[in-house]
Amino acid sequence: QVQLVESGGGVVQPGRSLRLSCAASGFNFNSFGMHWIRQAPGKGLEWVSIIWYDGNNKYYADSVKGRFTISRDNSKNTLYLQMNSLRADDTAVYYCVRDGRAVADYWGQGTLVTVSS
Amino acid sequence: EIVMTQSPGTLSVSPGERATLSCRASQSVSSNLAWYQQKPGQAPRLLIYGASTRAADIPARFSASGSGTEFTLTISSLQSEDFAVYYCQQYNHWPRYTFGQGTKLEI
Repeated sequence: QVQLVESGGGVVQPGRSLRLSCAASGFNFNSFGMHWIRQAPGKGLEWVSIIWYDGNNKYYADSVKGRFTISRDNSKNTLYLQMNSLRADDTAVYYCVRDGRAVADYWGQGTLVTVSS
Repeated sequence: EIVMTQSPGTLSVSPGERATLSCRASQSVSSNLAWYQQKPGQAPRLLIYGASTRAADIPARFSASGSGTEFTLTISSLQSEDFAVYYCQQYNHWPRYTFGQGTKLEI
């Protein structure tokens, strides 16, 4: 069965960096695009970024463009999100999500990032 | 950016009753509309895609319809496990998903 397991969240000071990882299993990881989607505490869902199945194309929400970088290692079935210059409004649960022909069909359990001094 | 608006914000119903949730898009999204269910402390789960197609293992009491800008999710005969927050999401402007603000279904 499809499994997506995020890690790397935690408490970080404003302006600092953090890297999230997502370990994928149960499907051909190198055949699917992957998203990061986040949810601030008590709030709704916000799309963050997508990377193509082969890593050749990447897109970002305006709110994170220039600060976050999505990447993947298909040999390790792992998705990453490098987050730099973190701000308080980046505080959220970050979900790793599979793109199933444009549909966000499988979600990880999420990892909480808290940006606070 | 396409804005998705859900109504009502909160819907109070009793087990066994029928619930109807609405979602409106600020411009046409064709049938590129999905619905998700999220329970407290859990990730969202895909219920519906293509505006009306149930995802794998989703019970038949969940149905959905609509196209263009107006969409509806109906849950017939509510079960206790159906009480959750429901989000609609457009993927017509894929990959830039946008989500509605959610409808909380409560007892």
